[in-house]
Amino acid sequence: KQEVTQIPAALSVPEGENLVLNCSFTDSAIYNLQWFRQDPGKGLTSLLLIQSSQREQTSGRLNASLDKSSGRSTLYIAASQPGDSATYLCAASPTLFTGANSKLTFGKGITLSVRP
Amino acid sequence: DTGVSQDPRHKITKRGQNVTFRCDPISEHNRLYWYRQTLGQGPEFLTYFQNEAQLEKSRLLSDRFSAERPKGSFSTLEIQRTEQGDSAMYLCASSLDRVQETQYFGPGTRLLVL
Repeated sequence: KQEVTQIPAALSVPEGENLVLNCSFTDSAIYNLQWFRQDPGKGLTSLLLIQSSQREQTSGRLNASLDKSSGRSTLYIAASQPGDSATYLCAASPTLFTGANSKLTFGKGITLSVRP
Repeated sequence: DTGVSQDPRHKITKRGQNVTFRCDPISEHNRLYWYRQTLGQGPEFLTYFQNEAQLEKSRLLSDRFSAERPKGSFSTLEIQRTEQGDSAMYLCASSLDRVQETQYFGPGTRLLVL
């Protein structure tokens, strides 16, 4: 059974800092790894999807990397802003033969607070 | 693209009552997913549909839960004889059925069982 872990549960940083959010997963047989953002009381917004054959993906100030062999992914946020304050969740998608793009297994998320 | 919509956004009910939630996916998406999220936790998978076929159900989906997608468009999730432990945010997502497609989430329905 896939387990996804995100540590720490919460993080507070001053505005402008570059930061890294970590995600680890127990079963390396994944098809992709996704990062989502969730604002309080809201649904999830997809940030980045990294295919299992890729090492990283970039979108604006966000860069996500994937190392399947070690069961790790990181989300790098450059020049953090107060508007980045939210909960960031990573989710693993099972391999093609077990139902790719079916159920996602989520971590508990990291609640980020960027102080002005 | 109007996004995934869910109705109602909030529901308060008494223990033992039945509740039904609705999800309208993005129009061209033939996959639809239900997740449940409790406070401080990540979403947990409940079930998913491809068109009108329910392809997988989690063990979390007890006999009191039933989901349908009768015409392959909108979906309903019904909880019978609600219990306080059912209090959670119920999230719906949709996607195309191609691999490497991201799932787009709705705003969720927050259920409180008193």
